[in-house]
Amino acid sequence: DVKVTQSSRYLVKRTGEKVFLECVQDMDHENMFWYRQDPGLGLRLIYFSYDVKMKEKGDIPEGYSVSREKKERFSLILESASTNQTSMYLCASSLMGAKGNTIYFGEGSWLTVV
Amino acid sequence: GDSVTQMEGPVTLSEEAFLTINCTYTATGYPSLFWYVQYPGEGLQLLLKATKADDKGSNKGFEATYRKETTSFHLEKGSVQVSDSAVYFCALCDNYGQNFVFGPGTRLSVLP
Repeated sequence: DVKVTQSSRYLVKRTGEKVFLECVQDMDHENMFWYRQDPGLGLRLIYFSYDVKMKEKGDIPEGYSVSREKKERFSLILESASTNQTSMYLCASSLMGAKGNTIYFGEGSWLTVV
Repeated sequence: GDSVTQMEGPVTLSEEAFLTINCTYTATGYPSLFWYVQYPGEGLQLLLKATKADDKGSNKGFEATYRKETTSFHLEKGSVQVSDSAVYFCALCDNYGQNFVFGPGTRLSVLP
């Protein structure tokens, strides 16, 4: 089974802190994604990466950055956390460009910024 | 661009009722279609998928058929249980197997 692991399920951070959300997948997938999920807004793509050291902006990249130094690991960074970044963050991974491709999600990280 | 539309709910049913959650899509070419389920406090799990027209995906009593003529992929279950209470997301992956698009999700509550 594909496993996408998000290291922190629940975090509470202070405004202005630097926050790292870590994600690891064990299926040698090329693509990795970070989404944000808020009530009434569905899933919104923050960043994605299709290869090591490659990244592409999604729909809402402002206030976030990412790092992909190894194929299996994709980190989301909040340089200076703000209260409007309180949300559930979902990491996901998929193969590169295969017909019938499936995206697999981690269990999510609940971030509260106070 | 590609898009997915689904009934937003919430949908409230009694146990053993029949479930339909409608999903339609707009896409070029031949996308793959998916239903994902999200239980409270968890991430999204793949429920079922279909990769070409007239394919039927099925899992855990849920079914959906890829209808290209109506660009639809409606989710059905003949008899829901309380444990089916969750948010259901319809999604597509484009013809190149690279870009995923999700619907807004439909919250289902099943009452005993």
